[in-house]
Amino acid sequence: EPEVTQTPSHQVTQMGQEVILRCVPISNHLYFYWYRQILGQKVEFLVSFYNNEISEKSEIFDDQFSVERPDGSNFTLKIRSTKLEDSAMYFCASKRETSASFFGPGTRLTVL
Amino acid sequence: AQSVTQPDIHITVSEGASLELRCNYSYGATPYLFWYVQSPGQGLQLLLKYFSGDTLVQGIKGFEAEFKRSQSSFNLRKPSVHWSDAAEYFCAVGAQNQAGTALIFGKGTTLSVSS
Repeated sequence: EPEVTQTPSHQVTQMGQEVILRCVPISNHLYFYWYRQILGQKVEFLVSFYNNEISEKSEIFDDQFSVERPDGSNFTLKIRSTKLEDSAMYFCASKRETSASFFGPGTRLTVL
Repeated sequence: AQSVTQPDIHITVSEGASLELRCNYSYGATPYLFWYVQSPGQGLQLLLKYFSGDTLVQGIKGFEAEFKRSQSSFNLRKPSVHWSDAAEYFCAVGAQNQAGTALIFGKGTTLSVSS
């Protein structure tokens, strides 16, 4: 069964450093998302991506964040200068036109 | 405002007993509704979804949920809980007719199963 994959599973970085979180969505899906979950809190939407551009973003997704689909398979989230409060679990998700979103296993980002 | 409320933060159920997890939503558009389960350290697994049609939907692992439009609810049920069901459960809502719209999640309910 096809699934969304994410790398790395755990990323530790120093405050102010750039990180790139990687995702490989399910191959025939058209919509791609990043969500995050701060420890003990609910899952929050960051950004959606369709047809090679951002279709929607939340207020969390400020100028420090960017997304890219550099090739036909990868979907990346870049945080330009990490802050302590960026520590969270980051989930990638993908979906077809009318389907449920399928989530990856997540990347746990720890900012020291 | 669009929101999902899961009133129960933590529920403990005896193994073999029935389970109901509550979910209420506030959403301007006609909703798609979902339940996801998250085991410790794992991602979100789709349990079931409601798009349209029969308001009682069946999911994986013996779970079902009923959409009640008049109550804006989508409660999750299971007739007999197994120890492996211990996890965190999230209710989520998305917009119909807006294929790319992001999901709004509730805060989750942690289910513990006692023997």
